[in-house]
Amino acid sequence: DAKTTQPPSMDCAEGRAANLPCNHSTISGNEYVYWYRQIHSQGPQYIIHGLKNNETNEMASLIITEDRKSSTLILPHATLRDTAVYYCIVTAPNSGYALNFGKGTSLLVTP
Amino acid sequence: NAGVTQTPKFRILKIGQSMTLQCTQDMNHNYMYWYRQDPGMGLKLIYYSVGAGITDKGEVPNGYNVSRSTTEDFPLRLELAAPSQTSVYFCASSYGMGVSYEQYFGPGTRLTVT
Repeated sequence: DAKTTQPPSMDCAEGRAANLPCNHSTISGNEYVYWYRQIHSQGPQYIIHGLKNNETNEMASLIITEDRKSSTLILPHATLRDTAVYYCIVTAPNSGYALNFGKGTSLLVTP
Repeated sequence: NAGVTQTPKFRILKIGQSMTLQCTQDMNHNYMYWYRQDPGMGLKLIYYSVGAGITDKGEVPNGYNVSRSTTEDFPLRLELAAPSQTSVYFCASSYGMGVSYEQYFGPGTRLTVT
């Protein structure tokens, strides 16, 4: 599976958009980009995923560059409850879509 | 639906003891996974299963065994516990078909080996 690179930490003011970048320059054609988050010590929570098109759901938007080497997760109106560690993960069918978590980005949303 | 349930929530083991961490899901998911998370680190995959009777190793399988005799259950066995196995263990499941393979995680089991 391709490795990902994320900044270790980011801050965001409450109500503003949080833009979390991820680099996955070695991604291969059949690999998807998944985003999860982990609040405190709970089990991780799925946010969104994509292959090559931009995606949006009720939680977030995912922007994938045309060459697929990087992506950005956008939380449009961050709240204090969005404070968490965010993981960008690349995975594929031949690994059973198993997730290879790195250290992620610790997002702190401030009042 | 209860989702993914794990038992026990906490456990303290002595070095050399054995135990089984239980994981059950009621979503009729085909795929199930075991991860461990050490303090300050991301989760690491121990084993996974794409269906009953089929299991495969992940990144850190040594010291663990799994079985998948039913769709619902995916127990993780620790033989001869060691301090290095002190961690939080998460079980997850996913439908495994179609275009979405999002994983649903249980609340975790906090294991201390002393």
